[in-house]
Amino acid sequence: SYELTQPPSVSVSPGQTASITCSGDKLGDKYACWYQQRPGQSPVLVIYQDSKRPSGIPERFSGSNSGNTATLTISGTQAMDEADYYCQAWDSSSYLVFGGGTKLTVL
Amino acid sequence: QVQLQESGPGLVKPSETLSLTCTVSGDSISSYYWSWSRQPAGKGLEWIGRIYTSGSTNYNPSLKSRVTMSVDTSKNQFSLKLRSVTAADTAVYYCARGHEYSGSHYYYYMDVWGKGTTVTVSS
Repeated sequence: SYELTQPPSVSVSPGQTASITCSGDKLGDKYACWYQQRPGQSPVLVIYQDSKRPSGIPERFSGSNSGNTATLTISGTQAMDEADYYCQAWDSSSYLVFGGGTKLTVL
Repeated sequence: QVQLQESGPGLVKPSETLSLTCTVSGDSISSYYWSWSRQPAGKGLEWIGRIYTSGSTNYNPSLKSRVTMSVDTSKNQFSLKLRSVTAADTAVYYCARGHEYSGSHYYYYMDVWGKGTTVTVSS
């Protein structure tokens, strides 16, 4: 079965750049998307098709995907960005896979 | 704007069937995919499956033998049934709208989610 691997936690200082990685076999040959989930809330789509932002998502959120790794980058991180982030891709065997999630802490 | 609302029993006995419904408001349910995911307390997201308004389904291989999804376009609702539940099925269950694209690569993402409903499996 296909697996996506994320670091359990990432820390960043306010105003700095946070990078969250998502690794999977030949992930660059698939499209990745990213969800933000604040405590007690539902997931929110922040990036789809590797690097596209849905309407209403701040420009400081960006994404890339190449080789075996997709990356979510948050520039000028704010306290409100503290949340869990999940990557997601579609496996060729016709099912959806989530990464294990990364807790972003803004110190 | 489109909104999704999960509903169903919050408590299910072991070995019984968990049944949830997601009601879509603000848009037609037609011509979209509709997914179910779940999240045990303190853990990550797990995709359960999806259904298209035609009735075509895809399920997580790990749950496929116990899952059935259905759609009722007249009520703008879709549903999940999970059979033979155990305590491991205790989780917050989310419904979501899905989009797909079949180009150079296939993609599928979920842009609108319900608030989630907590289901506990216990006698």
